[in-house]
Amino acid sequence: SQQGEEDPQALSIQEGENATMNCSYKTSINNLQWYRQNSGRGLVHLILIRSNEREKHSGRLRVTLDTSKKSSSLLITASRAADTASYFCATGEGGGADGLTFGKGTHLIIQP
Amino acid sequence: DAGITQSPRYKITETGRQVTLMCHQTWSHSYMFWYRQDLGHGLRLIYYSAAADITDKGEVPDGYVVSRSKTENFPLTLESATRSQTSVYFCASSPRFTPLHFGNGTRLTVT
Repeated sequence: SQQGEEDPQALSIQEGENATMNCSYKTSINNLQWYRQNSGRGLVHLILIRSNEREKHSGRLRVTLDTSKKSSSLLITASRAADTASYFCATGEGGGADGLTFGKGTHLIIQP
Repeated sequence: DAGITQSPRYKITETGRQVTLMCHQTWSHSYMFWYRQDLGHGLRLIYYSAAADITDKGEVPDGYVVSRSKTENFPLTLESATRSQTSVYFCASSPRFTPLHFGNGTRLTVT
């Protein structure tokens, strides 16, 4: 199964700064999704980018996708303490009908 | 309230015992999934279901059994629990080709 791998594994920044995390995957995809997980909770979907899209925005989130490099990045602008969480990218060949494959995540800490 | 509910939230069991983790969703989503989350491995798919009475294996199905007699329920059973099955288990649901909705997980400890 294909698997996304996030980089870095951990990131600590000051509140107000921008946070960038990257995801690489191995095979062709239908779409790529980003999820957030707060401590002790389930994952929450943030944004989905389709394979024919290069960039997508949602509030303070910006996602890019480069299918030639098999990579994606998630940018969180003007970070807040509440953004402290783990972030996962996920891919699925069939768009998720047979389950998504998740990376190991980037743990983001926003220092006040 | 609409959503996806997992129970119990925490469970401690002994090696060799059978344990069932429950998952219930109120959206009538066709697809349901079970993942386990372990440090160093991220989330791994155990089983999934496309509809009632249709289930399929994921990446790590050994030692687990699922059933789906009703669209809204997708229980996961560990027939004879082992210490390697100590993990956090997440249930998720979705209509096809859309993002997954996750429950808050069950933390299972096998002693």
